[in-house]
Amino acid sequence: KAGVTQTPRYLIKTRGQQVTLSCSPISGHRSVSWYQQTPGQGLQFLFEYFSETQRNKGNFPGRFSGRQFSNSRSEMNVSTLELGDSALYLCASVGTSRPDTQYFGPGTRLTVL
Amino acid sequence: SQQGEEDPQALSIQEGENATMNCSYKTSINNLQWYRQNSGRGLVHLILIRSNEREKHSGRLRVTLDTSKKSSSLLITASRAADTASYFCATDDNAGNMLTFGGGTRLMVKP
Repeated sequence: KAGVTQTPRYLIKTRGQQVTLSCSPISGHRSVSWYQQTPGQGLQFLFEYFSETQRNKGNFPGRFSGRQFSNSRSEMNVSTLELGDSALYLCASVGTSRPDTQYFGPGTRLTVL
Repeated sequence: SQQGEEDPQALSIQEGENATMNCSYKTSINNLQWYRQNSGRGLVHLILIRSNEREKHSGRLRVTLDTSKKSSSLLITASRAADTASYFCATDDNAGNMLTFGGGTRLMVKP
C-alpha cells in the first residue's frame, strides 16, 4: 500500500495570504488528522476528520480550517497567514485494522515571509 | 498544548550503547505511543502500550508504563548510527484520533 502523501512538500507565502494543503490517506483509511509542528510549541493537534465530518478540533484560531472529501482525501486551509504560522504541517491517517496507530505523511513545510 | 515533558531533551551516545528516554504526562490515558522523526520529516510509529500494560517489547525497543506516576520510558538497546533521530511520546485519551505529544528527545548515536 502507498503511504500517506502530502502536497505540496514545500511552500513559501507572504503574510496575509491564504494557503491550502492537501493530504491523501492510505487507501481504505477514513480518519485523517492534522498536526502543526514548530520549534517553540512542538507538535500540536489541529483537527481530525472521519467520513467527511470534523470529529475533533484542537485549540487553534478560526483561520485554520479543514475538510474531507468522499474519497477520504483531506485539505486544510489557513487564511490571513501570520509569521507564526510557519511550521511543518503533518497529516496522519488511521485505518480499522489498527485503529490506535496513526500513519504520518512526510509533511508540508510552510514558510511565511 | 503539550501533554508533558520528555527527558532528556538531548542525548548523545556511542554506537552499541543503550539509550533511555523518559516521558511524563498529565491526564489519564487510553494508550501511550512512541514515534521517531528523522530531520523534520514525518513521524514513524514505533510502539504502542495500553494503559493496562506495564511493559512491551519490539525488537530492540522496550517500553514501560507506570500509570500511577504518569510516566513512560523507551529503551533502545545496542544503538546504531541509524537510530539518530528525535523521539516523541504521544498519549491518546480515547477522545478520537487526537494525539497529545511530548516535547521530544533528540538522540545522536555516534559511530
